[in-house]
Amino acid sequence: GESVGLHLPTLSVQEGDNSIINCAYSNSASDYFIWYKQESGKGPQFIIDIRSNMDKRQGQRVTVLLNKTVKHLSLQIAATQPGDSAVYFCAENAGGTSYGKLTFGQGTILTVHP
Amino acid sequence: GAGVSQSPRYKVAKRGQDVALRCDPISGHVSLFWYQQALGQGPEFLTYFQNEAQLDKSGLPSDRFFAERPEGSVSTLKIQRTQQEDSAVYLCASSLWDRGLETQYFGPGTRLLVL
Repeated sequence: GESVGLHLPTLSVQEGDNSIINCAYSNSASDYFIWYKQESGKGPQFIIDIRSNMDKRQGQRVTVLLNKTVKHLSLQIAATQPGDSAVYFCAENAGGTSYGKLTFGQGTILTVHP
Repeated sequence: GAGVSQSPRYKVAKRGQDVALRCDPISGHVSLFWYQQALGQGPEFLTYFQNEAQLDKSGLPSDRFFAERPEGSVSTLKIQRTQQEDSAVYLCASSLWDRGLETQYFGPGTRLLVL
């Protein structure tokens, strides 16, 4: 079988709990950050983004926090549902280009138990 | 409206074979990106087009990889003389303009297996 789960961090939660997924980024010059959700066999799906001049942004059931001091990004999902089960990637636009060349983190597997 | 589409969704190739992967971006999107995603890893940048111009090909792993977008819409990623290490999912993404601070929308990917 596939070994995809052997190398990625995992987070297992109960339905209805809040989930927090963390990401450390590498480039202090990065000015734009995005969280993507990727379900098996599908491409990454945009969840929420944040620019470097902000430290918090909220969407529907999701919040992204940015701490530039320690180069840390987190995604909070409220009232997690089984449909939220997927691999979550953070991505950064590391600057140096005007067109949004993204660098992705390694991903976190989120499993939501009913 | 239609999102980014890619074809074929799956491709099995014998080592040494040439393959061509197609991407149809969202209509009107200026920017088009190709990424490679190995099993269990995040996508890695391959190349970028602004309309028909290939402005960045710094991520292409070798000269066996070639991409084009001749009319500024559909793009093709071609891999010549495929090797087993080319096995991966190839993702295409597009965004409306060519500014960095905007959303990239991804297609479902083409899963390439080289035997």
